[in-house]
Amino acid sequence: AQTVTQSQPEMSVQEAETVTLSCTYDTSESNYYLFWYKQPPSRQMILVIRQEAYKQQNATENRFSVNFQKAAKSFSLKISDSQLGDTAMYFCAFMKQASGSRLTFGEGTQLTVNP
Amino acid sequence: GAGVSQSPRYKVAKRGQDVALRCDPISGHVSLFWYQQALGQGPEFLTYFQNEAQLDKSGLPSDRFFAERPEGSVSTLKIQRTQQEDSAVYLCASSLGIRGGGNSPLHFGNGTRLTVT
Repeated sequence: AQTVTQSQPEMSVQEAETVTLSCTYDTSESNYYLFWYKQPPSRQMILVIRQEAYKQQNATENRFSVNFQKAAKSFSLKISDSQLGDTAMYFCAFMKQASGSRLTFGEGTQLTVNP
Repeated sequence: GAGVSQSPRYKVAKRGQDVALRCDPISGHVSLFWYQQALGQGPEFLTYFQNEAQLDKSGLPSDRFFAERPEGSVSTLKIQRTQQEDSAVYLCASSLGIRGGGNSPLHFGNGTRLTVT
């Protein structure tokens, strides 16, 4: 079974600054995906960024980037130039690379961007 | 439709009542998942459909929980004899393909918040 751990229940950052959210996971799988999802008060899970485990290059999506350390089973999210709209709950998630695979989520980190 | 639609958005049930939660996935999406999200927690997997076939129901917490997708599109999650511990947000997600991850991302609905009093 896979486990995902987010050790920071809450984080805050000033607008325009950079913040890093931590995530570690445990798995015996060799092929898998890792994701960061954002959940605003509307409750809809919004995909922020994804990483294929076989790719050594860290994924980036505009202001969002990850630091993927496969050996250490670490997958942190860096948000640059934080904006007020980034305020939300952020979840790290794991998925095996197989048909019909489920997502395994961490406990979440509540990020607040202050003006 | 433009996205995954769930109804109702909120549901209050008295303990012991039966409830039915509906999910309209994106048209043509083969895979459909249900997740349960307790307050302050990450979502947890309940069940998975590939078209009309329920291929994985290992996450359903008890036999009071039942899900169906009879025509391979709309899905209903039914909870019988609701208990207070069933209070949670129930999220539905769909994807075009059967292999999750990068090539077939999941699209989530806004969820149904169930409160059992």
